[in-house]
Formats: sequence, structure tokens, C-alpha cells
Amino acid sequence: SQQGEEDPQALSIQEGENATMNCSYKTSINNLQWYRQNSGRGLVHLILIRSNEREKHSGRLRVTLDTSKKSSSLLITASRAADTASYFCATDREAQKLVFGQGTRLTINP
Amino acid sequence: ETGVTQSPTHLIKTRGQQVTLRCSSQSGHNTVSWYQQALGQGPQFIFQYYREEENGRGNFPPRFSGLQFPNYSSELNVNALELDDSALYLCASSLIVESTGELFFGEGSRLTVL
Repeated sequence: SQQGEEDPQALSIQEGENATMNCSYKTSINNLQWYRQNSGRGLVHLILIRSNEREKHSGRLRVTLDTSKKSSSLLITASRAADTASYFCATDREAQKLVFGQGTRLTINP
Repeated sequence: ETGVTQSPTHLIKTRGQQVTLRCSSQSGHNTVSWYQQALGQGPQFIFQYYREEENGRGNFPPRFSGLQFPNYSSELNVNALELDDSALYLCASSLIVESTGELFFGEGSRLTVL
């Protein structure tokens, strides 16, 4: 079963705009990760935020974590056509046994 | 590129058959995990192998089994295939340490069961 739920399920924006995706989860976690998947291919790790952190940045990515609300958000700034992909949040209750959400399909229109 | 390789990339089987999928982990990684991703869904954890022993299993029946070899490569075997087993099977390698939880995924093996 999926622990996380991403919102929205699909998002379409213009190149240059910011994209925000949200993730909610159900149980306590050690950390939360975001992964990206180009169509039908493997997942690529983007960023990890630990349960005692509230915000983390990596290049054009900004992740927030609110453990009281059991939610996280991923912000991609200044989007590019190459950012078109599916984005998944994943929680880690046990060592590296990840529980993924259903993902957000992001489309960047040129 | 993660350094994790999977084979085959695509395969077609019929109901009742058996399949073996293979994974070579990234150099230096001692842990391999397998995930099943149905179309339009997120990956679901099947099981994890650490030092050649199963180290946790998701909600999958016993007909899903695995192996990890001394060089840390791994196999996923599925017996008595069912139509619902059609999915992308992803292998991920990692190094179990306290400070990191990142997984390195291969490109997957897409299984179609007819």
C-alpha cells in the first residue's frame, strides 16, 4: 500500500514558472526523500530531508517538511522543459525500505 | 547514471510461467532492494537483501523470491506469473549506514504477462 499521497496528481505549467508539489504521509518517519522519474525509466534521487529538519535547498529545489502535519512540499524554481517528469516522495521508517506515494506528473510547456 | 544495471530491459511471459530478473549493484554497495511499479503507480517495496540474507519484505506472496550473491548482485524470481504481475521491476542498491537513506535505482525491467 502507498503511504504517501502526492498532490496534485498532474501539473502543467509554462517554462520559467515555479512548480510546487505536495506530499502527505501517515506514520512517523526517519526521513523523507524526493525522486524523479522520466517516462518509464529508473528513479533518480533528488533530495533527502531528515525528520529533524524543516527546510532544505539543492540548486533550484527547495523542500520543506512539517512533521506535525505529516506533509512535505517540493518547489522547483525557474522550471525548464527538461524538468518534465514524474516526481515521487518516499518515506523511510526502516533502513532504506522506502514507501512511495503515487507521484505527481509534471509537464513544462515551452 | 547510477551504476546499477538491470537485465533484461523488456520481456514478455504468459500466465503460469516463471521469470528471473537480474541486477548488478553499484560498486561498494552491500544492499539491494527490489520494487514493483505498476503503470501509473508509485513503486512498491518487494524485499531487501543485505549480506546475502533477506532483510525485510513487503506485502508480496512467497512466489516472489530473491537471491543476493557474494558480489552483491541480485536476482528476483517470480513463479506462477499472473496478469497483475505486469509491471516495471526496479532494483536499487545502497550502503546501509546510519547517515544516509538514498537509493540508487537501475532503469528497470519491464515485464508483460499475457
